[in-house]
Amino acid sequence: QKEVEQNSGPLSVPEGAIASLNCTYSDRGSQSFFWYRQYSGKSPELIMSIYSNGDKEDGRFTAQLNKASQYVSLLIRDSQPSDSATYLCAVTTNTGNQFYFGTGTSLTVIP
Amino acid sequence: GAGVSQSPRYKVAKRGQDVALRCDPISGHVSLFWYQQALGQGPEFLTYFQNEAQLDKSGLPSDRFFAERPEGSVSTLKIQRTQQEDSAVYLCASSSTGFHQPQHFGDGTRLSIL
Repeated sequence: QKEVEQNSGPLSVPEGAIASLNCTYSDRGSQSFFWYRQYSGKSPELIMSIYSNGDKEDGRFTAQLNKASQYVSLLIRDSQPSDSATYLCAVTTNTGNQFYFGTGTSLTVIP
Repeated sequence: GAGVSQSPRYKVAKRGQDVALRCDPISGHVSLFWYQQALGQGPEFLTYFQNEAQLDKSGLPSDRFFAERPEGSVSTLKIQRTQQEDSAVYLCASSSTGFHQPQHFGDGTRLSIL
């Protein structure tokens, strides 16, 4: 079982819709959670970090964390074609200071 | 610039050659990380430094891989006797401290072994 699991997609949504990206993790002791966006041929760029249960909003982005169910999600409201990218979930575990990325979900926003 | 800088951006080497990849982290960032990213995959952790100390090298795939950060700033990832399976993008990231802070990535080095 991989430490961090994401649906690889591709996920397609029309412009203006809400895109929902999900991530599950295996280490119940995980403490820190991050969403990165990666355009093709580019390096990952940080979108959001979340450390506590609940929702965290930043502009059009909302991260949701549920430690009991071991999942973290990212909602993108009013999706734009420029949001088309691969979204990587990353988790810091409490054991051994390990940092794991999921394989990423490819999102396409259709104009 | 204020970001993480990696060089070279592209490196082509023949199988069996040694290569060295450089990372210059964000000024003042204590922690530095190296990742390997294969096409269509997420970054895979290789190694982690806090200042000059290499605290975790559990992700290095073989003893052909070696990383150093002698003065706690610039880091070099060296791959000896390269193999075709070493072809990947090598990403460097830095953070203010540790794994619990967001990591900021460089543009990566795309390594191709012929």
